[in-house]
Parts: sequence; structure tokens; C-alpha cells
Amino acid sequence: DTGVSQNPRHKITKRGQNVTFRCDPISEHNRLYWYRQTLGQGPEFLTYFQNEAQLEKSRLLSDRFSAERPKGSFSTLEIQRTEQGDSAMYLCASRPNRTSGVGDTQYFGPGTRLTVL
Amino acid sequence: SQQGEEDPQALSIQEGENATMNCSYKTSINNLQWYRQNSGRGLVHLILIRSNEREKHSGRLRVTLDTSKKSSSLLITASRAADTASYFCATDAAGTYKYIFGTGTRLKVLA
Repeated sequence: DTGVSQNPRHKITKRGQNVTFRCDPISEHNRLYWYRQTLGQGPEFLTYFQNEAQLEKSRLLSDRFSAERPKGSFSTLEIQRTEQGDSAMYLCASRPNRTSGVGDTQYFGPGTRLTVL
Repeated sequence: SQQGEEDPQALSIQEGENATMNCSYKTSINNLQWYRQNSGRGLVHLILIRSNEREKHSGRLRVTLDTSKKSSSLLITASRAADTASYFCATDAAGTYKYIFGTGTRLKVLA
């Protein structure tokens, strides 16, 4: 168990550019979440995958955001035409398949810190 | 907007003292979880309490849940400097797949 990994850890970009982040969940975890966290706030839900299916997406997520999990393993989060307001920490978490006990625990990655200049 | 709210927003105590933080939420839940986050890092799961449970212990942690008041408390006993972190409650919103995090309590334990 190597934990949830996220790449890159830091990304600085200019306004208007596209960025893509990657999340590698714990192997065999079929559930995957993306969150956004700004300074002094709690994580804000963005989207949820069960295997390769995107089952829920926050209404706060604009059309500039898209996430994929093509083979039910790693996931990518893309932000198009970045804005300064997109600057935040983007967190990924995975959960095992079991529906009770440890299946309810989310395991978080270290996050990708995005700075939009 | 977040449904959960923790209070206090910030708490500063001496090492060895107990720390209590509270969380309120708005909708029906299946379970409530507490997480810790050290500065600039990912979150670490601490403890989970189900909606049919009222109290749960894990080491120096004690969590209570009052579903009638839609509130929970986290007690850390005999605090240590290493407990300095932000603490968040998270609820699974019934009928959705999402987890909703509160705004967090920033705990500082002074050695």
C-alpha cells in the first residue's frame, strides 16, 4: 500500500492556460473523489467516480473543469482557461469497495497546489 | 457552500490539556467522520461515527454524535504539541455520493 499519489505537487500557470492534474489511488480502491481547498477552508467536493463512471459532479464545477478515470484506476482533472480564482489546493481521495467499516474511510493524497498568475 | 461548521474556528491550549471542538451539519447523514490536516498537507482520517451511534473512542479521541441536534464533538485528551493541526468534520450527505466538510478548527498546542 503506497497511498494515494498526486502529480504534480505544485503547478504555477498563467491565466488562460490549461492545466491537468493526475491522481493515482490506492490499488483496488474503486471509489475516487476530487476536492478543492482554499486557504482557511475545508475541502469542497468536486466530483466522484466509482470505477470509470463519474457518478456525481458538483454544481459549482464550471464547464472549464473536466475529470476522467478512463480505466477505473488513475484519474485526471483538467482545468481549461484557468482564472486566478482557480488558485487552490486540489485534493484526491480514494475509498475501498467495501460498504461498511473501513470502506467508509477516505484516503487522501498530498494534493496539487495550483497558483494562477 | 459547506454544510458543516466547526467551532471554535481556532483553539490554543497548553500541552496536557484537553481540546474540544464541535461540528454542526444540516442534512440527514449515514455517518460523520473527523479528519486532521497538518499545514499544507493532505487529510488523515481519525475516526468515524455512524448515525446510530452516540459515542465512540479511539485512543485519546472521543467523538459524540447527537443526530437530533445535528451536531458532533471531538475531544482530544492529554493533548501533545504534535496534535497541532486543523481538524475537520465530514458528513456523507444522504442520497448523494458526496462528502461535505466543515470549515475546520485550527488547534495549536503549546509545549
